[in-house]
Amino acid sequence: EIVLTQSPGTLSLSPGERATLSCRASQSVSSSYLAWYQQKPGQAPRLLIYGASSRATGIPDRFSGSGSGTDFTLTISRLEPEDFAVYYCQQYGSSPRWTFGQGTKVEIK
Amino acid sequence: QVQLQESGPGLVKPSETLSLTCAVSGYSISSGYYWGWIRQPPGKGLEWIGSIYHSGSTYYNPSLKSRVTISVDTSKNQFSLKLSSVTAADTAVYYCATTTVTAVDYWGQGTLVTVSS
Repeated sequence: EIVLTQSPGTLSLSPGERATLSCRASQSVSSSYLAWYQQKPGQAPRLLIYGASSRATGIPDRFSGSGSGTDFTLTISRLEPEDFAVYYCQQYGSSPRWTFGQGTKVEIK
Repeated sequence: QVQLQESGPGLVKPSETLSLTCAVSGYSISSGYYWGWIRQPPGKGLEWIGSIYHSGSTYYNPSLKSRVTISVDTSKNQFSLKLSSVTAADTAVYYCATTTVTAVDYWGQGTLVTVSS
């Protein structure tokens, strides 16, 4: 079973700052099968990035994904007020087929 | 645009079976996708429960496999989740979603199921 570990648990930043979120896998993950989501309170998660670096439809270009193997990163170049939320990474692989990281909360400093 | 809507009881007694249905609109279940269930306990992270292909083939999370059944009804364009022998640990928001190898593209709004006597 591949375990995804996200860090930090909480990121305290101000609007306009750059956010760098990490997702580390316990085994190598195909870049094609690594995705990132944003979740706001009371809402379902929203797909941001798939294939490690491709933005989903309608996602602003301040969101970018990178990485390969066991280390992946989600970067928000300049935080907007609506970007303060919880972010999850997720991979598809062997059993269990779909697994998620524990999440990183980006909060207003 | 795929739209998903969960429905089912919001309260289930311990040891009973949780049953939820996901109605799909804007897309035919028979056309493709793995149709999945994901849950989120209050204040916690996301856990994939299982997924079903339109043909009926299923994948389940090993941690829940003994208690989970997912089925599909192509005539009604919907799929369902049954989770047996529930305990308080099964209290969560349950989401139905399209689970693909690249990502979970579309999500329902989620439904809170509380396990309590």
